Amino acid sequence: EAGVAQSPRYKIIEKRQSVAFWCNPISGHATLYWYQQILGQGPKLLIQFQNNGVVDDSQLPKDRFSAERLKGVDSTLKIQPAKLEDSAVYLCASSKPPYEQYFGPGTRLTVT
Amino acid sequence: GDSVTQMEGPVTLSEEAFLTINCTYTATGYPSLFWYVQYPGEGLQLLLKATKADDKGSNKGFEATYRKETTSFHLEKGSVQVSDSAVYFCALSSGGSNYKLTFGKGTLLTVNP
Repeated sequence: EAGVAQSPRYKIIEKRQSVAFWCNPISGHATLYWYQQILGQGPKLLIQFQNNGVVDDSQLPKDRFSAERLKGVDSTLKIQPAKLEDSAVYLCASSKPPYEQYFGPGTRLTVT
Repeated sequence: GDSVTQMEGPVTLSEEAFLTINCTYTATGYPSLFWYVQYPGEGLQLLLKATKADDKGSNKGFEATYRKETTSFHLEKGSVQVSDSAVYFCALSSGGSNYKLTFGKGTLLTVNP
């Protein structure tokens, strides 16, 4: 069974630029999560989808972050414009609740 | 709100030493508890879990027991190996309609030969 796929693995941008991350969950997993992991901290949930609907986006900075999950499968997370404090690893996870979440390898974003 | 506090690292041990990483939590209701591991350059992997009080999760020689009275879920291993070097995260999920995970800050473990 293929795992959660994410791309790109690494991205370096300048502040005020925009960036997008892509996630392909495990086949059949209806729930998809995006987490932000700042260096030295645990992952923090940004947004959770159930199929293509948003379940929780309470910690998503909506003035600059957006996410969508078209057709209830792949998802993209966008930052526009990026700030220095957005430097982090962005993790995508998927699950078939109430079972465990499976994580992708993450995208490491550096904002200079 | 939900929170997880885990032992600050880094932790450095010699091979075959005993490992304990402390984890305590604050949550409403009866959360499920997890330990995730992140090996260098890899994504998070579930190491073990417990879904109710007094449950013991175990995997790869690691164990943790869900202690409701002390709100704790400490990770232990009797004899660590160099290959156990990684970052370990304690996490909880309060369930309901939202299975999001709340993580601790992580503990870096380095095992020397």
